[in-house]
Amino acid sequence: AQKITQTQPGMFVQEKEAVTLDCTYDTSDPSYGLFWYKQPSSGEMIFLIYQGSYDQQNATEGRYSLNFQKARKSANLVISASQLGDSAMYFCAMREGLENFGNEKLTFGTGTRLTIIP
Amino acid sequence: DTGVSQNPRHKITKRGQNVTFRCDPISEHNRLYWYRQTLGQGPEFLTYFQNEAQLEKSRLLSDRFSAERPKGSFSTLEIQRTEQGDSAMYLCASSPGTTQYTDTQYFGPGTRLTVL
Repeated sequence: AQKITQTQPGMFVQEKEAVTLDCTYDTSDPSYGLFWYKQPSSGEMIFLIYQGSYDQQNATEGRYSLNFQKARKSANLVISASQLGDSAMYFCAMREGLENFGNEKLTFGTGTRLTIIP
Repeated sequence: DTGVSQNPRHKITKRGQNVTFRCDPISEHNRLYWYRQTLGQGPEFLTYFQNEAQLEKSRLLSDRFSAERPKGSFSTLEIQRTEQGDSAMYLCASSPGTTQYTDTQYFGPGTRLTVL
């Protein structure tokens, strides 16, 4: 089974509208972290937002928020008031075993290409 | 700019040649990671260092691949006898390594390798 599943290969959204990018994950570890990264055409992965499995509240960072539904194992990224500069690939990633030093790798999904239409 | 830097940004080589990439992490970051990203896929973990110690290696890191971080600062990734299947973007990331739960990895711009 895939650890991280992003079912939307591509999305087109009108500028200034909100957009939700889906991410579901699979782990039996009780302690894990979920990350979202943005990758513009230049190639650099830009960190956007983090959610820990024990966090009581959904994470927010400016226009980015994370809709974390633990029972459903989903961690959807919500971008409010989309801008042309938001056009990029978006990757969901997970790090498992947070309680164990040495388990540091991120496992990524296949990404969603978001295109903002003026 | 004090982000992660990688050199070269692009490398074209012939099959069978050796290549070496360099990564300079964010200053004072203890952990350094290498990932590989092929077209249409998310990055895949290759290896990571805690200071100068290489603590984890993926099965993707065949015998032809070697990574070093000799003084706990910059790192090099060498690929020997390159194959066309090695063509990919090689991404480096670093993290502070001072927190257990929220240690965030910050990525560099990547080195795009093309093997002819």
